Formats: sequence, structure tokens, C-alpha cells
Amino acid sequence: GQQLNQSPQSMFIQEGEDVSMNCTSSSIFNTWLWYKQDPGEGPVLLIALYKAGELTSNGRLTAQFGITRKDSFLNISASIPSDVGIYFCAGPPNTGNQFYFGTGTSLTVIP
Amino acid sequence: GAVVSQHPSRVICKSGTSVKIECRSLDFQATTMFWYRQFPKQSLMLMATSNEGSKATYEQGVEKDKFLINHASLTLSTLTVTSAHPEDSSFYICSAWDRGAGNTIYFGEGSWLTVV
Repeated sequence: GQQLNQSPQSMFIQEGEDVSMNCTSSSIFNTWLWYKQDPGEGPVLLIALYKAGELTSNGRLTAQFGITRKDSFLNISASIPSDVGIYFCAGPPNTGNQFYFGTGTSLTVIP
Repeated sequence: GAVVSQHPSRVICKSGTSVKIECRSLDFQATTMFWYRQFPKQSLMLMATSNEGSKATYEQGVEKDKFLINHASLTLSTLTVTSAHPEDSSFYICSAWDRGAGNTIYFGEGSWLTVV
């Protein structure tokens, strides 16, 4: 399956710092999803976006559906140690029967 | 609560035997489910797309005769690792595509397979 371009691949930040990551695609998407995976567990859905330009928050997390419908951004404010994990984006392009996934961003928060 | 249930969460089997992992969508019907493999500290690796009532679509490099996928109902897909070897030991995760209003994928909890 095709993977989305996700960056950065990994981040090491101090507790309290803000985090930004993004995903880009060559195809137009109707839905953008952001997940977090803790070690040894299945990924958990954080935020779902369904409209171009949509900005949605979930606690300290904010995600945006890009205007071009080819990208999305996830921001984490005031990071804490429990934010550690792998974050990845996903979504179905507006044509076809596939669900694409980002390559993941590994986040490490240093207390 | 979980909308996709994966079972077993951990399994140990002897080399040469087969082991089956189940993935169930609990709150919705899923015509499409996905199976992944994940190595430590690496991202998910898509193995195959499971389609209800038809053959699974395998990713390049994944042996379809070794990793048998069956999607016999709208709520259940199974992955059978046949003639397992120690190198098959890994974390296997499934997900199910809810094509309803949310158009969202939900993941199972994952299954740790250890082949001894």
C-alpha cells in the first residue's frame, strides 16, 4: 500500500515544548486521520478531519486539513512525558479502495 | 470502548505449527480490513488488505501461502501464520475500515507472536 510522506521521522524534545508534524500526499484526500501508537499497543485514533481547511482540537492536540486537500498537520502543545509514542497520519484518497498511511513520527519527550 | 477486537493478545507456538489471529469489528460492518506487522521501534508494515467475500490483496514480498487471510463475514477477518518459524515472531495488528459517516479506520490491540 502506498505510504504518505510524513515528517519529521523522529523528534526529541524537552517537556513543555510544542510539537509539529505533517503529512503530504500526491493525491487528494477526503479524510485525514491522526493516530498515536504506544509501545506494544495498537494505534489509537486522535483526531479525524473531513473538510478542507478544518481545524480540530483534542485537548493539547490540534490538527488541520490542508486547503489543497493534499496535506495535514498535527500540533501538540506543551508536551508531557506521556506524549511519547509514534504518531502517524492516514486517510483514503477520494478515488479507489485504498487507505494510505504515513511513515510515522517517533516522539521522545525528555523530562 | 474498543471498536475493533483482536485475539489473542499474546501467543507462543512451536516452530512448524500454525497459529490463527482473529480481528473483529464490534460496532460496525467492515468490508475491508487490514493486517500489519511491526518490528520493534519501527512503523507499521502493511501485509495485506482483507476484503469480505473475496481474496485478500497482499503487499509485495508477503507470502500469501504463509500468511493466510480469511474474511468470511462483515465483522471477522483472520490471519493464519502457517508453518511458523522464529523469524515470524513479531507484533501483528489488524484494522477495520468503517465506511459509515466517519469513514475511519480503527485498529485492534495487536497480537504478540513468539515462535519457539
